[in-house]
Amino acid sequence: NAGVTQTPKFQVLKTGQSMTLQCAQDMNHEYMSWYRQDPGMGLRLIHYSVGAGITDQGEVPNGYNVSRSTTEDFPLRLLSAAPSQTSVYFCASSRTSGRDSWEQYFGPGTRLTVT
Amino acid sequence: QQPVQSPQAVILREGEDAVINCSSSKALYSVHWYRQKHGEAPVFLMILLKGGEQKGHDKISASFNEKKQQSSLYLTASQLSYSGTYFCGGNTGGFKTIFGAGTRLFVKA
Repeated sequence: NAGVTQTPKFQVLKTGQSMTLQCAQDMNHEYMSWYRQDPGMGLRLIHYSVGAGITDQGEVPNGYNVSRSTTEDFPLRLLSAAPSQTSVYFCASSRTSGRDSWEQYFGPGTRLTVT
Repeated sequence: QQPVQSPQAVILREGEDAVINCSSSKALYSVHWYRQKHGEAPVFLMILLKGGEQKGHDKISASFNEKKQQSSLYLTASQLSYSGTYFCGGNTGGFKTIFGAGTRLFVKA
């Protein structure tokens, strides 16, 4: 199992550009989520999904869109990048039932810089 | 609102014990603990459910006081490998897990 994979690892954008951060998992997990991590702020939830076709907002959803057309993939779209979106982005997944439910597996992260 | 963690940072010598606290102003259904080493992704340690028992593995254990909405992570006889940032996460209902700002732990030889 590859677990949770994210691409790209690093990205530099200019203000106003758009892009999609990719996230995929091969564990057949129902739940997937996106977090951003900024110094001193911990992990803040952007969006999450409990299954294909079902998404909802987290703590800091503004400026980001998500969709979930398959169980495996959960891309995060930045609509018009702003310097305030400079951060490290983590994707995570977990089961929603069973012995290891809600044990989140995190991807390696994408380090995004917006100039 | 994010759970509040204390202390923000702690330095230990190998073999010493530490306690990291996490408190929430909202009722929590579960508390989750993760550890993140520098430049790496967070890794799951344990989850404590409302009404559940204290959990632990090896020399790391945790408790959850539902009345006070507080959880504590106990690290016993710390090892160099325990260094990292510890995050508590709380589930206040639904499917959102909201994390605290983290506690930096540094264990020196």
